[in-house]
Amino acid sequence: LAKTTQPISMDSYEGQEVNITCSHNNIATNDYITWYQQFPSQGPRFIIQGYKTKVTNEVASLFIPADRKSSTLSLPRVSLSDTAVYYCLVGDMGGTSYGKLTFGQGTILTVHP
Amino acid sequence: KAGVTQTPRYLIKTRGQQVTLSCSPISGHRSVSWYQQTPGQGLQFLFEYFSETQRNKGNFPGRFSGRQFSNSRSEMNVSTLELGDSALYLCASSLGDPTNEQFFGPGTRLTVL
Repeated sequence: LAKTTQPISMDSYEGQEVNITCSHNNIATNDYITWYQQFPSQGPRFIIQGYKTKVTNEVASLFIPADRKSSTLSLPRVSLSDTAVYYCLVGDMGGTSYGKLTFGQGTILTVHP
Repeated sequence: KAGVTQTPRYLIKTRGQQVTLSCSPISGHRSVSWYQQTPGQGLQFLFEYFSETQRNKGNFPGRFSGRQFSNSRSEMNVSTLELGDSALYLCASSLGDPTNEQFFGPGTRLTVL
């Protein structure tokens, strides 16, 4: 299972773009990269998922370079409500990984006024 | 549509007792996964059920068990509670196919005294 490394914490200000990078050097061919967000005392919430290049949805973008050994979650124009823990997950989501998400330590993002 | 619901939301038990937690997945979702979240260990996968069968299991002792009913609702049981079982227990549902997004419930906060 690919190990992920991401910053323990980040600080930003309202209106700024935030980029959180995740390192996953031993990512496997069948692995997808998924990001989840979690607020205190709530369950994690899916943000975005990708395999390669760039994926964008209404809340974030995910950039994955050609070697897939890292990925960057980009949050445009953050607000105070984006203060949360962000988890980068890598896994094939199938086969022996059915239903199993492997969470690392996550990145605590704090957005200041 | 309604999200994942978990009952009860809060529970206080004493050591040696047993507890049953319930999870109702999103309508149409056949996979239910359970996770334990503690400050020290983070989010850890317990097990996953799909169509009433356990497909995947994490590294937890046999005191932790679960089951799934024909309507996809799932229960998790912990017997002979220990102080270290105090945690937020989260369940997540998905359609069950590889790469499917998991939708988490609000969790059950279990305190063992």
